[in-house]
Amino acid sequence: DTGVSQDPRHKITKRGQNVTFRCDPISEHNRLYWYRQTLGQGPEFLTYFQNEAQLEKSRLLSDRFSAERPKGSFSTLEIQRTEQGDSAMYLCASSYTGRRHSPLHFGNGTRLTVT
Amino acid sequence: DQQVKQNSPSLSVQEGRISILNCDYTNSMFDYFLWYKKYPAEGPTFLISISSIKDKNEDGRFTVFLNKSAKHLSLHIVPSQPGDSAVYFCAASAKGNSGGSNYKLTFGKGTLLTVNP
Repeated sequence: DTGVSQDPRHKITKRGQNVTFRCDPISEHNRLYWYRQTLGQGPEFLTYFQNEAQLEKSRLLSDRFSAERPKGSFSTLEIQRTEQGDSAMYLCASSYTGRRHSPLHFGNGTRLTVT
Repeated sequence: DQQVKQNSPSLSVQEGRISILNCDYTNSMFDYFLWYKKYPAEGPTFLISISSIKDKNEDGRFTVFLNKSAKHLSLHIVPSQPGDSAVYFCAASAKGNSGGSNYKLTFGKGTLLTVNP
């Protein structure tokens, strides 16, 4: 178990630029999730995939955000035309659906700073 | 509207004593509850969970208690150790529409626990 891997760890970008983050889940996990955490808050759900299908998107995920999980393996989260309000920690998590209650395993996150 | 509330932003205890972290929830559809621990610059790490059909779950030094009538749960750490110093998040999930494994955790804002040597 190598854990959930996220890349990059930190990203600083100028407002209006596009950014893309990558997440590699635990290999046997078929569910993958994206959460966002801002200062002083707990993680907030953004979207999740079961295999390659994106099954739900939060209202927090505006049309500037898009997530993909080609072939049901790694996932990317792209933010277009970044705004200062997008500055946050973006967390990826994965889990296994074989058991009803399978805890989410989180990566160490990508910290985005929009200047 | 905070559906999961951790009203204590911070807690400080002495090494060897008990740490009690509290969590309240408002959504009666929540049926599974989890505690995560988070160190700086790391992602949250799963600690312990409890299903709504139980009122207690124990794992080593960690015990979670659930009071459904009060919509309250607590995490007890005994004895507390300096390495337990971290932010603790309470999280909850509701049964999915299909009745299967739920995916959407709702987190509280966290409690910073400091265990002093």
